[in-house]
Amino acid sequence: AQSVTQLGSHVSVSEGALVLLRCNYSSSVPPYLFWYVQYPNQGLQLLLKYTSAATLVKGINGFEAEFKKSETSFHLTKPSAHMSDAAEYFCAVAPGYSTLTFGKGTMLLVSP
Amino acid sequence: KAGVTQTPRYLIKTRGQQVTLSCSPISGHRSVSWYQQTPGQGLQFLFEYFSETQRNKGNFPGRFSGRQFSNSRSEMNVSTLELGDSALYLCASSLDSPGANVLTFGAGSRLTVL
Repeated sequence: AQSVTQLGSHVSVSEGALVLLRCNYSSSVPPYLFWYVQYPNQGLQLLLKYTSAATLVKGINGFEAEFKKSETSFHLTKPSAHMSDAAEYFCAVAPGYSTLTFGKGTMLLVSP
Repeated sequence: KAGVTQTPRYLIKTRGQQVTLSCSPISGHRSVSWYQQTPGQGLQFLFEYFSETQRNKGNFPGRFSGRQFSNSRSEMNVSTLELGDSALYLCASSLDSPGANVLTFGAGSRLTVL
C-alpha cells in the first residue's frame, strides 16, 4: 500500500524567505505525485503534478518540486514567500492508475 | 467552464439521522471520488465511481455509501450518523483514473453532527 509522510504539521517563514515543505512517499510501483493547496473554507487546488516526464516540476504561483527516487521524496519549494501563500499544503501519491493517498498536510504560516 | 459543485455547503444533523450529499462533476469528467477530511485524520478516501460503477472503496463502515448517475453526478449517503462523522466531505472529479488524470475538487460539504 502507498503512503505519504509530510514532515512538520506547521512551517513558519518570513515574507521573502525560502519556502520548503517536505514530503516522502512509499509506493510499490512508479507513482504519480501531487501537491495541492487548500485555503480556508475551500477545496483543494492543484499546484503541480509529477508524471515522470521531468524530475523538476514547475507549478503555479512560483512553486516547484523535485522528484528524487533514491530518497523517495518530493519536496515543494518556492524561492520567496508571499503573504498570500499562507495556506495548508497537501502532498499526495497515486501508484499507477489508482486513487490518491494524501499526507496529513502542512500549514504554512507567513509573517511580515 | 463550471467547476465541481457540491451541495449543500453546510449542514447540521443529530446523531442517528442520515444525510445525503451531492456532487456535480466538471462536464465531461466520468470519474468522481469522495474524501472525508478531519483535523485528526486528514484526507481519507471514501470511494470512487466511474460510469455508474464503484471502482474503488476506502476503509469505511457500510454506513457510508454512494452512487453515480448516468450524467456522472454523484451522491454519498451516511446513515445512522455518529459524532465522529463530523467532517468536511470533499468530492473531486477527473476525466478517468484519478492517478493518471488531475483531480479537481469541489469546495466541500461541511457536516456537523450534534
